[in-house]
Amino acid sequence: DTEVTQTPKHLVMGMTNKKSLKCEQHMGHRAMYWYKQKAKKPPELMFVYSYEKLSINESVPSRFSPECPNSSLLNLHLHALQPEDSALYLCASQFLAGGFNEQFFGPGTRLTVL
Amino acid sequence: AQSVTQLDSQVPVFEEAPVELRCNYSSSVSVYLFWYVQYPNQGLQLLLKYLSGSTLVESINGFEAEFNKSQTSFHLRKPSVHISDTAEYFCAVNRNTGGFKTIFGAGTRLFVKA
Repeated sequence: DTEVTQTPKHLVMGMTNKKSLKCEQHMGHRAMYWYKQKAKKPPELMFVYSYEKLSINESVPSRFSPECPNSSLLNLHLHALQPEDSALYLCASQFLAGGFNEQFFGPGTRLTVL
Repeated sequence: AQSVTQLDSQVPVFEEAPVELRCNYSSSVSVYLFWYVQYPNQGLQLLLKYLSGSTLVESINGFEAEFNKSQTSFHLRKPSVHISDTAEYFCAVNRNTGGFKTIFGAGTRLFVKA
């Protein structure tokens, strides 16, 4: 299995809803990332987990709450989002041994906040 | 700190013509360099990478990039493009001492016309 999967593919939510994005990989990668990508822009780093511990939080608002329950799974819990949070949310993973390795990206979740 | 400049936001080109997408970087330390491609409504895919060794790196679908340390460039080239190469291309860098932060350029939209 050499891919990163993300569910759901599309998500529409209201500003008072609570929802979660899920990311999964079975490549033995021990670093996992969340990025936010607005249209026609590069990905912006949000969070990084290394060995299931949060290593980087790029000053993301608390309405986004990441969780890494095990080495294969990464969640992003969403609550009280704003319309400007509408974007493509990308997950990535990275192997952490044997020198530097590139990130593998999932297909993304297209989020619309009404 | 590192930065990446992609000099062209859009590059229109006719099918079977050659193309060059330009990328310059700035860094006070040595870096690893990457080109990612993003097709519409998809995640990012690694196209090619320079970590060390030969400064000319090639992908399986005919793209190549050359690391030029003196000019701090990593331009992407293809001698003959196809309609299917239409996509967004991102140049990216990481410090070669590791670290989780990948710095992306703003992206170049390659549009291949029939």
